[in-house]
Amino acid sequence: GAGVSQSPSNKVTEKGKDVELRCDPISGHTALYWYRQSLGQGLEFLIYFQGNSAPDKSGLPSDRFSAERTGGSVSTLTIQRTQQEDSAVYLCASSLPSGDSGANVLTFGAGSRLTVL
Amino acid sequence: GEDVEQSLFLSVREGDSSVINCTYTDSSSTYLYWYKQEPGAGLQLLTYIFSNMDMKQDQRLTVLLNKKDKHLSLRIADTQTGDSAIYFCAERENYGQNFVFGPGTRLSVLP
Repeated sequence: GAGVSQSPSNKVTEKGKDVELRCDPISGHTALYWYRQSLGQGLEFLIYFQGNSAPDKSGLPSDRFSAERTGGSVSTLTIQRTQQEDSAVYLCASSLPSGDSGANVLTFGAGSRLTVL
Repeated sequence: GEDVEQSLFLSVREGDSSVINCTYTDSSSTYLYWYKQEPGAGLQLLTYIFSNMDMKQDQRLTVLLNKKDKHLSLRIADTQTGDSAIYFCAERENYGQNFVFGPGTRLSVLP
């Protein structure tokens, strides 16, 4: 597509429920990133995909968080047994393959705002 | 690990120049970036600079890089109310996949 698409744009859920957030990157962008932005905070790195594999999962805050990517395209971030501290905006970004000598800028989606009551 | 720091707030009068500063720790950074985030939106790339450059100008935007001091700045000339946003500095280490973002500087433009 023309840009990075994320859904849902807003999600309100009850504590303890599972949520899935979806990211559809720019066609041809093999690198995909998930970041979390809490209210008034900067970006917290969660996970990075190159193709379908995730060489860097170091940012996932707990084992309640998981992510997958299929077909080198769409990615889903799943949060199980949500807690109030999971409330944040979850941002997805994609870029051309890493290691290319170019600038490889990240193109961000508009984010999914998660509110856990 | 790598760290990127920015001041959190900046207020300027409409028509003045804004200068947003950033410091980073990773000497192997190859590219440095400035992103803008408007309320309720994702981050939008403003400009980037390669580490072997010391200045880049793009219309009202001027990026200065002091690699020795690991200091990056973004100057916005003739700041307008539409420039009010959060500005993030980011670095990319050594052609790798890791992008490290600063905490963002909230720019407020006063009429």
